Amino acid sequence: GQNIDQPTEMTATEGAIVQINCTYQTSGFNGLFWYQQHAGEAPTFLSYNVLDGLEEKGRFSSFLSRSKGYSYLLLKELQMKDSASYLCAVRDGDYKLSFGAGTTVTVRA
Amino acid sequence: IAGITQAPTSQILAAGRRMTLRCTQDMRHNAMYWYRQDLGLGLRLIHYSNTAGTTGKGEVPDGYSVSRANTDDFPLTLASAVPSQTSVYFCASSDSRDGSGEQFFGPGTRLTVL
Repeated sequence: GQNIDQPTEMTATEGAIVQINCTYQTSGFNGLFWYQQHAGEAPTFLSYNVLDGLEEKGRFSSFLSRSKGYSYLLLKELQMKDSASYLCAVRDGDYKLSFGAGTTVTVRA
Repeated sequence: IAGITQAPTSQILAAGRRMTLRCTQDMRHNAMYWYRQDLGLGLRLIHYSNTAGTTGKGEVPDGYSVSRANTDDFPLTLASAVPSQTSVYFCASSDSRDGSGEQFFGPGTRLTVL
């Protein structure tokens, strides 16, 4: 099985940077995903890491260290629309995803 | 319109009743999934199907059944609903043969069992 931990809540100011950490313990690893979920909506894909290192996509970056079972999602130049829940998910060897409980990010003006 | 649709959007159901949640995708994805999302617990996998004609159990399969008669449809059935099945249900699909194989989610069904 998978054990995935991420903080429950984070608050930041508009224009700032926020880093959401995710640690995991897995039986098999086949990639780590980050999803964004606005309240009352479906999750949407943000990023995918399968090799160690940093993947950058505009204002969002995701980092992975497989040896440490650690990932983070970095949100830069925060905007009010970034207020959402961010879900860390690990894919196992059978291509099934296990999700963390999610981190609710609140962006304040 | 490409994507995943789910029906109904929401439903209130009496305990003991049978209910089928519908999910259809038009992206020709080989894999489909059903999750439930509960406050504080995140998304949990109920059942999945890697290809038409095959299904598998996820983390919380008890009380639910699925079928995958074709590529597009993946219905989830609650044979005899219980209040603990009150949740938001998301269907998802992916093409595991394509790159990251990211999952695309439907809009969800909010189910209340009384």
